[in-house]
Amino acid sequence: KAGVTQTPRYLIKTRGQQVTLSCSPISGHRSVSWYQQTPGQGLQFLFEYFSETQRNKGNFPGRFSGRQFSNSRSEMNVSTLELGDSALYLCASSSGTGEEQYFGPGTRLTVT
Amino acid sequence: AQSVTQLGSHVSVSEGALVLLRCNYSSSVPPYLFWYVQYPNQGLQLLLKYTTGATLVKGINGFEAEFKKSETSFHLTKPSAHMSDAAEYFCAVSEVNFGNEKLTFGTGTRLTIIP
Repeated sequence: KAGVTQTPRYLIKTRGQQVTLSCSPISGHRSVSWYQQTPGQGLQFLFEYFSETQRNKGNFPGRFSGRQFSNSRSEMNVSTLELGDSALYLCASSSGTGEEQYFGPGTRLTVT
Repeated sequence: AQSVTQLGSHVSVSEGALVLLRCNYSSSVPPYLFWYVQYPNQGLQLLLKYTTGATLVKGINGFEAEFKKSETSFHLTKPSAHMSDAAEYFCAVSEVNFGNEKLTFGTGTRLTIIP
């Protein structure tokens, strides 16, 4: 089985711009979660989608949004980028039963 | 609310020595517990997990962990460190609840192996 894929792997944006990141889960997985990883805050949960519905949400501002398509692929969008949004964004897929999640390689976002 | 504490942000051990990475958790409901490893410029790889059943769980690369409910701990061990074990290790907890995929992570422990 192919693993979780994320595109792009690296991204450089300017403050005020918006960005869309993509995640393709493992075939058959219906749950996709997103995490932000920074040196200061560590790994933080953004949100989780299951069968195209947002099922859980972390404590991030409304500038962070996501969606999931019928094929379980997911996108997350960050609008009005701030310098503090520079981070590694990780996507994880799972069957949705609360057990193990499988992570992709991440998208490294740099905001200048 | 759940939380995870990893004691020691940096741990150094000699090649061949015992690896012990500590993790304590706080959870109001029975948790699922996980250890993940992250190599530079990569995502997280699941080492092992505890959901139910046997409290001593074995994972990949010779690692194992023991769930101790009375101590709210889930420490990670490996009898003999290898150079390839150098990485960052994260302990995580989630609620035992279908439909809750949220993982709460510790701050991580960077493991250095001394030749």
